[in-house]
Amino acid sequence: SQQGEEDPQALSIQEGENATMNCSYKTSINNLQWYRQNSGRGLVHLILIRSNEREKHSGRLRVTLDTSKKSSSLLITASRAADTASYFCATDAAGGYNKLIFGAGTRLAVHP
Amino acid sequence: GAGVSQSPSNKVTEKGKDVELRCDPISGHTALYWYRQSLGQGLEFLIYFQGNSAPDKSGLPSDRFSAERTGGSVSTLTIQRTQQEDSAVYLCASRAGGVREQYFGPGTRLTVT
Repeated sequence: SQQGEEDPQALSIQEGENATMNCSYKTSINNLQWYRQNSGRGLVHLILIRSNEREKHSGRLRVTLDTSKKSSSLLITASRAADTASYFCATDAAGGYNKLIFGAGTRLAVHP
Repeated sequence: GAGVSQSPSNKVTEKGKDVELRCDPISGHTALYWYRQSLGQGLEFLIYFQGNSAPDKSGLPSDRFSAERTGGSVSTLTIQRTQQEDSAVYLCASRAGGVREQYFGPGTRLTVT
């Protein structure tokens, strides 16, 4: 079963705008990861935030984690058409062999 | 080095037939995972290998599904007597010891007609 939920399910923005995606989860975690998927195939790891971290940056990506609310957000700044993809959060549950439990994803469309 | 590879990339099979899906992980990665993604959905965990053993098979949906890993490298996911609800993209991922990030293959799109 899915660990969490993501919102929005779909997001459509113009190039240059910021995109924010949210993720909620249910159980205790070791870390939370964000992945990108193009064209419904392989996933690419974007960023990992540990349970004792609150915010992390990587290039145009900013991830926040609130363990008290069991939620995370991914912000993509200054979006580009090439950012068009589906974005998934995945939780690495405590004691779970590092298997990932994925949310349903957010489909992001960035228009030129 | 090369990433995770999977074969075939696409497989169309008739209901009731058996299929084998193959995963070649990144060399040296001890952990290997299989996931399934149904149309428009997130990924669903199937099975985890550490070396050649599978300490977590909890995601396999039925006894028609099995997987093995040999030599701590290649893994095969077998689905017997396929059903239409087995249609999905099957993704394999590998992970090096001591790190958390998983590296995914391009997946096998299985269509059961």
